[in-house]
Amino acid sequence: QKEVEQDPGPLSVPEGAIVSLNCTYSNSAFQYFMWYRQYSRKGPELLMYTYSSGNKEDGRFTAQVDKSSKYISLFIRDSQPSDSATYLCAMSAGAGGTSYGKLTFGQGTILTVHP
Amino acid sequence: SQTIHQWPATLVQPVGSPLSLECTVEGTSNPNLYWYRQAAGRGLQLLFYSVGIGQISSEVPQNLSASRPQDRQFILSSKKLLLSDSGFYLCAWSVGLAYQPQHFGDGTRLSIL
Repeated sequence: QKEVEQDPGPLSVPEGAIVSLNCTYSNSAFQYFMWYRQYSRKGPELLMYTYSSGNKEDGRFTAQVDKSSKYISLFIRDSQPSDSATYLCAMSAGAGGTSYGKLTFGQGTILTVHP
Repeated sequence: SQTIHQWPATLVQPVGSPLSLECTVEGTSNPNLYWYRQAAGRGLQLLFYSVGIGQISSEVPQNLSASRPQDRQFILSSKKLLLSDSGFYLCAWSVGLAYQPQHFGDGTRLSIL
């Protein structure tokens, strides 16, 4: 079983739709949760960063963490064609001990928003 | 503000040839530095990380090595490339002893022929 599971999609939605992206994980030591957006032939760009359980909102993006269920989500409201990219979830147990902030990634969900 | 540079952007190499990929970070001191590989349709796999000059930790035994000759410079190398070394190589940085998220460069796409 992978430590982090993410549905690879692809996911295709019309412009203006609400998009829900999800990851599940098995390692209860994960405390830091991130979403990255990756455009074709580019490096991942940090989109959202949350610590522990709860919600965090930034513009059209909302990140949600449920540690009891080991489940994280990213919601995109009023989706735009420019949101078309691969979305990667990533998690870390933190910078202490020997982990040095090691990130464990999901395999990414390919999202296409069509006009 | 901090920036990260990787070069070259694209590289085509024959099997058995050597490799050197370079990553530099600007605008910060004593960053934590990371090398990842991303295979098609898969997530990122951590290869090496470094918390200081000359300090390298390897996550996955393989045909690659890393070095950090200067505070903000991180190099990925191989003496003899294998076909399986093909992929998208990404460098990332973070700062601080407390956890801070990593930021990525735009990567090097390596094809082995």
